[in-house]
Amino acid sequence: SQQGEEDPQALSIQEGENATMNCSYKTSINNLQWYRQNSGRGLVHLILIRSNEREKHSGRLRVTLDTSKKSSSLLITASRAADTASYFCATPLSSNTGKLIFGQGTTLQVKP
Amino acid sequence: DAGITQSPRHKVTETGTPVTLRCHQTENHRYMYWYRQDPGHGLRLIHYSYGVKDTDKGEVSDGYSVSRSKTEDFLLTLESATSSQTSVYFCASSSGQDILSYNEQFFGPGTRLTVL
Repeated sequence: SQQGEEDPQALSIQEGENATMNCSYKTSINNLQWYRQNSGRGLVHLILIRSNEREKHSGRLRVTLDTSKKSSSLLITASRAADTASYFCATPLSSNTGKLIFGQGTTLQVKP
Repeated sequence: DAGITQSPRHKVTETGTPVTLRCHQTENHRYMYWYRQDPGHGLRLIHYSYGVKDTDKGEVSDGYSVSRSKTEDFLLTLESATSSQTSVYFCASSSGQDILSYNEQFFGPGTRLTVL
């Protein structure tokens, strides 16, 4: 079963708008990661947030983590057409194997 | 991108034939992974390796085997390909330096495999 599940499955916005994607997970974690996948390419790591962090920023990305609700959100501000991609959250399967469980992703389309 | 390559990038084969996909990384990463990506299923772990000659199964390992004879190479073999194994296969690696798994994974470009 999936550990992380993203919501919404698809999102379409205009350039300049903000995009928010949510991820819910089931078990306790020590970190949560977000990845981006452009069409026909491999996944690229965006940001990692640890369980003792509530919010983290990287450029136009803002990630929040609420461990009490077992949820995370990824906010992309002032979106650009180049942000069009699929976004995945990932959580560790266990603490010492390096294995991650990926959600099914949110497909973001940013219209110019 | 980290130095991870996959070969071949595209392959069409017939049911019942063996297929080997290769992943090569130049980062000296300890951990390596094979995933398959299918519509409606997201990314699923097939096998992973935590060192040379050390491998273990993932959630969808049936019909697949792996080998890791060198740090930089991780091979995925479909012993007898079936149409259900038509998919996009991704290799990934991570350093494994942090025992608490605060390790990002670096992905290869993928191999699109079609089994007829």
